[in-house]
Amino acid sequence: GESVGLHLPTLSVQEGDNSIINCAYSNSASDYFIWYKQESGKGPQFIIDIRSNMDKRQGQRVTVLLNKTVKHLSLQIAATQPGDSAVYFCAENYGGSQGNLIFGKGTKLSVKP
Amino acid sequence: EPEVTQTPSHQVTQMGQEVILRCVPISNHLYFYWYRQILGQKVEFLVSFYNNEISEKSEIFDDQFSVERPDGSNFTLKIRSTKLEDSAMYFCASTKTSGGAYEQFFGPGTRLTVL
Repeated sequence: GESVGLHLPTLSVQEGDNSIINCAYSNSASDYFIWYKQESGKGPQFIIDIRSNMDKRQGQRVTVLLNKTVKHLSLQIAATQPGDSAVYFCAENYGGSQGNLIFGKGTKLSVKP
Repeated sequence: EPEVTQTPSHQVTQMGQEVILRCVPISNHLYFYWYRQILGQKVEFLVSFYNNEISEKSEIFDDQFSVERPDGSNFTLKIRSTKLEDSAMYFCASTKTSGGAYEQFFGPGTRLTVL
């Protein structure tokens, strides 16, 4: 079965609102998680990462939360802007692998002006 | 800012033909990866490469696929006899010296269309 998945395939928010994108993972051995943003016709772009020894990490306008108890990952985007419109993927890496990432299906974020 | 580059941006080929997709990873990176993304689907891992050999590969990466680091800068993915289902975006990625769980930088991708 799929190791990493997303609860919502699409998310539409108003410009200026906060966005929350969710992700579930099933491999308890995963120890590293990344959020990528993918704009149409481009490769995945790194947003933020978090290791399993942390439960929260903040970047510029973005926060990643990790709940290992329920194997849940979320990406929060503050004051969402039209430029944030893209597909967002979570990805996991489990200890012992050579860094290959397991991606979820992606959530399409649409920002309405 | 250094970036991963890929050529060509779009490759159209006939079924059964060989294709070579090219990547130039970031210069001080030592771990290299190929991923693919079928239209509308998630990104899938194909293969990882370190120290001139394959570190890990997925079940997708069968005998029709091969990778090579022919010189100090290029990293290639060869598909020996393309099938219709090989049509996808192929992404190259690289990461820093220690490999493992570090940020992977992705290239812009090559769109492969098999007719």
